[in-house]
Amino acid sequence: AQSVTQLGSHVSVSEGALVLLRCNYSSSVPPYLFWYVQYPNQGLQLLLKYTSAATLVKGINGFEAEFKKSETSFHLTKPSAHMSDAAEYFCAVNFYNQGGKLIFGQGTELSVKP
Amino acid sequence: DAGVIQSPRHEVTEMGQEVTLRCKPISGHDYLFWYRQTMMRGLELLIYFNNNVPIDDSGMPEDRFSAKMPNASFSTLKIQPSEPRDSAVYFCASSPHREAAQHFGDGTRLSIL
Repeated sequence: AQSVTQLGSHVSVSEGALVLLRCNYSSSVPPYLFWYVQYPNQGLQLLLKYTSAATLVKGINGFEAEFKKSETSFHLTKPSAHMSDAAEYFCAVNFYNQGGKLIFGQGTELSVKP
Repeated sequence: DAGVIQSPRHEVTEMGQEVTLRCKPISGHDYLFWYRQTMMRGLELLIYFNNNVPIDDSGMPEDRFSAKMPNASFSTLKIQPSEPRDSAVYFCASSPHREAAQHFGDGTRLSIL
């Protein structure tokens, strides 16, 4: 079955440290992949998307993600965390045979310590 | 540019009452999605439309839920009768085509007492 897994429901880093949020999907055909961020009491905002062009995708707020077909992964990184990055992050996958539906991971809450 | 607009932002009502949530998608977007978010179940897709036609409503929890899209610029999600377990944040999202990113509204926080 097609699925999306985010490893770690909660990640805590210090300000200035590397942020790494993990996302794996299960599919034999590379899908379209997205990362969204949700701040408290707000909707989901698109961070970045992979649509079969470059495997390293740059997004907003200094985030980037690398698509690795062999590992079926699309991990999100940021070299240096900022306090304002504290939020919930969702990986989402658009599988080709799902007619435009997004399958969301469970979400990872990122905390940033001063 | 105006994003996806949802109303109301907050709704508090008593059990048994009818609730109507509204959504205006981004102009030119052919796809519209309704989601529900709770702590227990995360983000769930309820139903989605393509060119105003419902494509997949398999996520609608039960017959008390219904959704319509009478035209390209408006959709409603209705719950009748409402129950306390329907309390959640309901999001509407739209996208221009099936492979594109979805754009989310700010959601409606629904509390059923």
